[in-house]
Amino acid sequence: NAGVTQTPKFQVLKTGQSMTLQCAQDMNHNSMYWYRQDPGMGLRLIYYSASEGTTDKGEVPNGYNVSRLNKREFSLRLESAAPSQTSVYFCASRAPRGENTEAFFGQGTRLTVV
Amino acid sequence: RKEVEQDPGPFNVPEGATVAFNCTYSNSASQSFFWYRQDCRKEPKLLMSVYSSGNEDGRFTAQLNRASQYISLLIRDSKLSDSATYLCVVNAGGTSYGKLTFGQGTILTVHP
Repeated sequence: NAGVTQTPKFQVLKTGQSMTLQCAQDMNHNSMYWYRQDPGMGLRLIYYSASEGTTDKGEVPNGYNVSRLNKREFSLRLESAAPSQTSVYFCASRAPRGENTEAFFGQGTRLTVV
Repeated sequence: RKEVEQDPGPFNVPEGATVAFNCTYSNSASQSFFWYRQDCRKEPKLLMSVYSSGNEDGRFTAQLNRASQYISLLIRDSKLSDSATYLCVVNAGGTSYGKLTFGQGTILTVHP
C-alpha cells in the first residue's frame, strides 16, 4: 500500500541550483497538490491539479513550476533555488468524486537551500 | 484577509479537559470542510470531515456554521495522545473547485 510517494526525502541545494521534486500516487486519484510548510505557517498551497491535464496556482506559486505528467505523477520544479525556499514540501492526492473525500499526503521532502 | 484562519494557540490543557478550536473561512462558495491532525515532523492526516448538521466521532465533535463561515472542533476528555497540531481545511467551490486550503494550525499540548 504505497499511497503517495515523494522523492527525495531530504535535499540540500546551493542558491541558484535547480531540482525537481517527484510525487506519485497509486490510488487513481484525480486531484493532486503541492504544499510547503514553514514553522508557524501551516501548509501553504503552491500549485494544484484538479484533474489530469490541468494545473492551477495556489497561494505561493512564485519560483515554482509544476507538471502533471499523467494521472499518477505530479512534479514540482525549482528553477533557481533561493534560501527563502527552504521548507518542508508535501505532496497530496484526493479521490475523483465527492466533496467529503480525504486527501492523502506523502511523507514530505525536507529541502534546505544554502 | 487569509482564506482560512485559525487561532494558533498554543493550547496547554490537563488530561481530561475539554478544549475547543475555531476556524473561519472567507470564501462563501466553499463546499466542504475538514479537520486534519499533524504530529511533529509528520504528514497531516484526516481527523474528521465536517458536515452541515454537525458530527461526532467518539470524543471529537465538529460543527459548521455556513452563515457565519465558521468551523469548530471540540475535544472532550483530552488524552496525552491528543497532543498535536490541528489543521482546519476548506475545499473551495466554483471556479476554484478542488482547491484545498489549510489554516495555519492550532497547537495542542495535553499534560498529565
